[in-house]
Amino acid sequence: ILNVEQSPQSLHVQEGDSTNFTCSFPSSNFYALHWYRWETAKSPEALFVMTLNGDEKKKGRISATLNTKEGYSYLYIKGSQPEDSATYLCALTNSGYSTLTFGKGTMLLVSP
Amino acid sequence: DAGVIQSPRHEVTEMGQEVTLRCKPISGHDYLFWYRQTMMRGLELLIYFNNNVPIDDSGMPEDRFSAKMPNASFSTLKIQPSEPRDSAVYFCASSYGAGGYTFGSGTRLTVV
Repeated sequence: ILNVEQSPQSLHVQEGDSTNFTCSFPSSNFYALHWYRWETAKSPEALFVMTLNGDEKKKGRISATLNTKEGYSYLYIKGSQPEDSATYLCALTNSGYSTLTFGKGTMLLVSP
Repeated sequence: DAGVIQSPRHEVTEMGQEVTLRCKPISGHDYLFWYRQTMMRGLELLIYFNNNVPIDDSGMPEDRFSAKMPNASFSTLKIQPSEPRDSAVYFCASSYGAGGYTFGSGTRLTVV
């Protein structure tokens, strides 16, 4: 069973603040790490898939980095906006044929 | 493509009744997953199928839960008899190979 930990559990920031959160995972047998954005009353939406150590992906104001040797990924949001409020999930797979194991997510609330 | 389609969106039922949740995956996707989301455990994988064949049902809580995938475009998750502790949001997701998942909008089940 893979253990995927996310921190913090929740975060409340002001509009315009930049923020980041962490996903930690076992560094052995790594295959891919996924980040999802999950708004209330909607379904999780894929943000990034990362496979290589040192990978950095960017989508608008959101970016993510990956360190497979030490087993962590950071998600950054620059200049948070109220519409960024959501739960951010990371998920890990340790092979091309196994399922994703999800962390419990970081709930972000951005106040205007 | 309309994405992964789940029905119903909401279900309220009395304890002891049978509940059937439905899912239509994205056409061409060969994996289908059933997840349950609760506050305590986050997203838990219940069962997944590959090419309509159940691969791993170790996450199914107990014998009251069953899932079928009679063809590539339809799957059901059945709970019989339902209990209040089954109340949760149930998500269906599909993927092609080891790619990211596309989630449905979920079914919010309340058992009273």
